[in-house]
Amino acid sequence: DADVTQTPRNRITKTGKRIMLECSQTKGHDRMYWYRQDPGLGLRLIYYSFDVKDINKGEISDGYSVSRQAQAKFSLSLESAIPNQTALYFCATSDTSGTGSHEQYFGPGTRLTVT
Amino acid sequence: AQSVTQPDIHITVSEGASLELRCNYSYGATPYLFWYVQSPGQGLQLLLKYFSGDTLVQGIKGFEAEFKRSQSSFNLRKPSVHWSDAAEYFCAVGANTGRRALTFGSGTRLQVQP
Repeated sequence: DADVTQTPRNRITKTGKRIMLECSQTKGHDRMYWYRQDPGLGLRLIYYSFDVKDINKGEISDGYSVSRQAQAKFSLSLESAIPNQTALYFCATSDTSGTGSHEQYFGPGTRLTVT
Repeated sequence: AQSVTQPDIHITVSEGASLELRCNYSYGATPYLFWYVQSPGQGLQLLLKYFSGDTLVQGIKGFEAEFKRSQSSFNLRKPSVHWSDAAEYFCAVGANTGRRALTFGSGTRLQVQP
């Protein structure tokens, strides 16, 4: 089984709809992240969470919200989707105990299309 | 603030040829540095990482990278490219202290010609 899972893998939605992307991990990591990937722009950080009660905005948080329901679950919501939120979304985790390495482990991604 | 530049958007090499992908970073202290690879339709996989110590690091799939502090660079190399190496490659920098997340470069897409 994959260590970091994302649901759904693909989603098409209409402008103005609310949508939630979910991420679960079995790695026992404390930190979780949401990124979006757009061609030519690499990965841009939306939100990150250092633990259940510690959530931080990334560089492009406008239009998004998150919830860290448990150490293993981190969901991303688009309250009112717009077409320029069409992108590939990745969840990632890292474990900063011990080595404090910040090495991140990625889920398979969710392809979101907003029409 | 930390930042990463990958100056080459797209590189094409012949199978069996050597490869070097460039990465330049900006960070005030010694950073953590990473190279990730993304195959088509896949997530990101870690190739290698540098934290401290030996500035030449070995990774998976025959890749290596060299940290050069004086040049703020962390270039990725492979002596002989295989067709399966065709993918997108991302360099990333992280702080070695504190509460920052990784910052990724915009990526370099590698095409391998037979």
